[in-house]
Amino acid sequence: EAQVTQNPRYLITVTGKKLTVTCSQNMNHEYMSWYRQDPGLGLRQIYYSMNVEVTDKGDVPEGYKVSRKEKRNFPLILESPSPNQTSLYFCASSLWQENSPLHFGNGTRLTVT
Amino acid sequence: GENVEQHPSTLSVQEGDSAVIKCTYSDSASNYFPWYKQELGKRPQLIIDIRSNVGEKKDQRIAVTLNKTAKHFSLHITETQPEDSAVYFCAATYTGGFKTIFGAGTRLFVKA
Repeated sequence: EAQVTQNPRYLITVTGKKLTVTCSQNMNHEYMSWYRQDPGLGLRQIYYSMNVEVTDKGDVPEGYKVSRKEKRNFPLILESPSPNQTSLYFCASSLWQENSPLHFGNGTRLTVT
Repeated sequence: GENVEQHPSTLSVQEGDSAVIKCTYSDSASNYFPWYKQELGKRPQLIIDIRSNVGEKKDQRIAVTLNKTAKHFSLHITETQPEDSAVYFCAATYTGGFKTIFGAGTRLFVKA
């Protein structure tokens, strides 16, 4: 089954404790991206990747890191999480960015206390 | 910067009525406009999309219209059903920027 898999689904952590949210897709998509969803703000792009070893900042990249060492994986790293990073996170992929819909993972609800 | 405005933020209709959600985008270079539906606790999923060389597209009860001159696009749902209740997001893809900018979302309630 074609899908984007995120883990974990739920994560509660404390300020400053490094964490990684994993994202993997099995559709051979070149493009992958991370979004955060907050009430009233829609989905805001954190980072995106056009292909292996090619990443760039989205609209809200501060406090996040990503890597794209393999085509299928695009982990999101929070080196020192803070409470304002409490949010619902979605990973997404597509064949190519222009004129191609995004396929979303099931989301990761992160709480930073 | 690029921006997509979406209205209304909340929409309540009676079952069987029509629902219309409107979006405005800022960058005239954008050329792809998808709509996503997000049910409670689930991921956004594409329901319909339109490309800039098309003015209207229809898929059963759902239609999307695009006015490139005015930089407006709209989602129309006819004969609404309770299962249409969800949050709907419009989006615009910007050429050269490799970005998809989302509207803030519309929460649609369909009352039985």
